[in-house]
Formats: sequence, C-alpha cells, structure tokens
Amino acid sequence: DTGVSQDPRHKITKRGQNVTFRCDPISEHNRLYWYRQTLGQGPEFLTYFQNEAQLEKSRLLSNRFSAERPKGSFSTLEIQRTEQGDSAMYLCASSQGRMGTEAFFGQGTRLTVV
Amino acid sequence: KQEVTQIPAALSVPEGENLVLNCSFTDSAIYNLQWFRQDPGKGLTSLLLIQSSQREQTSGRLNASLDKSSGRSTLYIAASQPGDSATYLCAVGGSYIPTFGRGTSLIVHP
Repeated sequence: DTGVSQDPRHKITKRGQNVTFRCDPISEHNRLYWYRQTLGQGPEFLTYFQNEAQLEKSRLLSNRFSAERPKGSFSTLEIQRTEQGDSAMYLCASSQGRMGTEAFFGQGTRLTVV
Repeated sequence: KQEVTQIPAALSVPEGENLVLNCSFTDSAIYNLQWFRQDPGKGLTSLLLIQSSQREQTSGRLNASLDKSSGRSTLYIAASQPGDSATYLCAVGGSYIPTFGRGTSLIVHP
C-alpha cells in the first residue's frame, strides 16, 4: 500500500451534470476525511467518517453533496447538479487510531465545471 | 471555532537562507499540529507532526516547534534550496478533524 489514492485526478464537467469521486485510504486507517480547496486557500473540511459511519458534516456540504463509505474502506463523494462554484480541488485524507495521529492526504481530484 | 493563521502569506528568499514560517491558532485545546507541504496542483505531503505534549520535532533540515499555551507554532527551514519552493500549510487537530491555515507560499530562488 503506497498511500491514499484518489480517482480521477482531473475532471471537467458541464454545469448541471453529476460527478462522483473515489478515495481509497491507507488500508488499516479507520478514519477518512474529505476536504475542498480553492486557489490560494487552505483546505476546508467537508465531512468525516469513522469506519462506515459519517460522524460529521460541514455546513459547506450542501444538499447537492453526498458522501459514502459503505464498507468502511473506500469512500465516494458525489456532487449533483454541479455549479461553477464547485470548481476546486477535492482532497481525501485518512488516519488511524486515537486522536492526534498523523493524517495522510491523497493527490486530490481537480474539478472544473464549465 | 478554531481559527488558524499563517504568516507570512508569501515569502521569496535566495538559496541558502534560514527561514521561519509562523502558524497561530485561537483555541489552545489541541491534540496535535501537523505541517504539510503542497506543490502546485498536487496533494499534501506530511512533513512533521507535533503532539500536544511535545515542544518540537525535527526532520532533516526542518524543525517545528509548538507553544500550545500561546497558540503558536513555527516551522524552521535551514539552508533553503530551490526544491523547497512550495506552499507550506499547518493543520491544528483539536478533535479528530484537522483545521488548516491558508498556507505560506515559499519561493527559493537560485
């Protein structure tokens, strides 16, 4: 296992289309995070899973966004009816164990809505 | 709500200089602080993790310190090189969810 993997790396979609991103965390990690990052900003928290349970969602996660982690392994993030304001880098991270452990990030999925 | 601030926002230095990047946070009840590097268009690479009980961590030319009571951390880069050019982000772990600053964009020119 070489780290957190995200797919696709880049996605260009037309406004109004639905898109889905996938994240494969480090295999033994039980916690998985999604963040969104726009140009010149730090990553903003979207949602967090512990195993298959989605424990927290940011107010940034509108009702057009949904995330799942069905078997406590990989996760998907779906955006419905995309808007130009959704254009951003979507980052996934994972960590293991108690609070204070190191988080590892994937390479991100760059979404461009045209 | 935790607020994380990084100063300076941008920094341009000649090769060989020692430099300090600053990170401050408003809520001192943290579990850890992590420094990351991000190259343009890429994901985040973890550089150093400091637990709340620790004062500093070192890795090669990097040294990170943490003063939890004053809400501050610094990342010290010794003998900077052009390959160090990137954005440096700090993330504060107050619970299970890291909160990020906006980063410091560093350019090291030959």
